Amino acid sequence: QQPVQSPQAVILREGEDAVINCSSSKALYSVHWYRQKHGEAPVFLMILLKGGEQKGHEKISASFNEKKQQSSLYLTASQLSYSGTYFCGTVESGTSYGKLTFGQGTILTVHP
Amino acid sequence: DAGVIQSPRHEVTEMGQEVTLRCKPISGHNSLFWYRQTMMRGLELLIYFNNNVPIDDSGMPEDRFSAKMPNASFSTLKIQPSEPRDSAVYFCASSLGPGPLNTEAFFGQGTRLTVV
Repeated sequence: QQPVQSPQAVILREGEDAVINCSSSKALYSVHWYRQKHGEAPVFLMILLKGGEQKGHEKISASFNEKKQQSSLYLTASQLSYSGTYFCGTVESGTSYGKLTFGQGTILTVHP
Repeated sequence: DAGVIQSPRHEVTEMGQEVTLRCKPISGHNSLFWYRQTMMRGLELLIYFNNNVPIDDSGMPEDRFSAKMPNASFSTLKIQPSEPRDSAVYFCASSLGPGPLNTEAFFGQGTRLTVV
């Protein structure tokens, strides 16, 4: 089942902050975040695991609320290079083989 | 490693024709995914293999779609017959496989399919 992302689109000026949310109706084992530039493939940003462990990006942070099955991606002091479409991907608990399902994406545009 | 390699990068075909998309995952990766990307639905998971075995194909839209993974270094996604509504970008991705931090997916550059 696809996770649901919000908002669908965000427009910022350089230096502003943004939060992108991801929620699932299923219990989650992990949440992934990816960024896709126009015409390119999605690129891994970070992964958050049930239990708090995470691996990822230096300048972008995220949280994972296991009880609410929600994750948020925090983009602070945005740069022009942050523009792109952000996808959250989820692995449901009980999925033994790491099936990764993505949301619809959030389009982030950063203006000078 | 060269990363996940997909071919062709672009495909234009006429409605009713057979289309075959190809993918070479990263060597040593045990999991392989086929996704379809459209504006309306984002990244849809079509099928997921683990150790060359199809684990979940519930995302395959119709019987017109089929996927195979004959060995650890090659997978195909076939559409027959193709229809205009199949037009999309198709991505193949691979990951090391199950395990707490091993599920990072590496994507190929995608195949842009246009069915006219």
